Amino acid sequence: NAGVTQTPKFQVLKTGQSMTLQCAQDMNHNSMYWYRQDPGMGLRLIYYSASEGTTDKGEVPNGYNVSRLNKREFSLRLESAAPSQTSVYFCASTEGGDVRAFFGQGTRLTVV
Amino acid sequence: RKEVEQDPGPFNVPEGATVAFNCTYSNSASQSFFWYRQDCRKEPKLLMSVYSSGNEDGRFTAQLNRASQYISLLIRDSKLSDSATYLCVVRPMEYGNKLVFGAGTILRVKS
Repeated sequence: NAGVTQTPKFQVLKTGQSMTLQCAQDMNHNSMYWYRQDPGMGLRLIYYSASEGTTDKGEVPNGYNVSRLNKREFSLRLESAAPSQTSVYFCASTEGGDVRAFFGQGTRLTVV
Repeated sequence: RKEVEQDPGPFNVPEGATVAFNCTYSNSASQSFFWYRQDCRKEPKLLMSVYSSGNEDGRFTAQLNRASQYISLLIRDSKLSDSATYLCVVRPMEYGNKLVFGAGTILRVKS
């Protein structure tokens, strides 16, 4: 059982480049999330999708866009990467009545 | 003020020690509470939910004090394998299923 799968695991970008982080879950969960984690800051919510076809901004959405492609997949796009977006990104999913979150293994992104 | 605040530590304890972490939250309408564990360079994983009556899972005991808006985690008989970062997590009622994470408390258990 794969759970939540994120790709890539590591990425280095130059300032101004774009990229998409992919996330897929095989647990038939309705809700999916993108977080970033920085030292001393905990996990901060970037965007979330309560169900297929809906997306909403979280605490730190600036500089990001998301797509809920179907129930399984939720992607995060950086259109023009900035050094401030250097972070570890986690995708997560939850089932509606059970808010336990299952996380992917994370993407370590460095923007130089 | 952060919504969820934790002492960052690190807490350095010997094997076999009892250690306790506290966490405070600012939203009095919060509904659900959890402790997650995160190993170095790994993803967070649910350790246990926290119920109003308090709950225990082996060596781990979680308590919730709604009046004072804090949550605690007690670890008895610490093992080397307990070394990790412990994240306090809260679900405010108005946020639907969204979770708010504390920055975490680092625990290092030494032999």
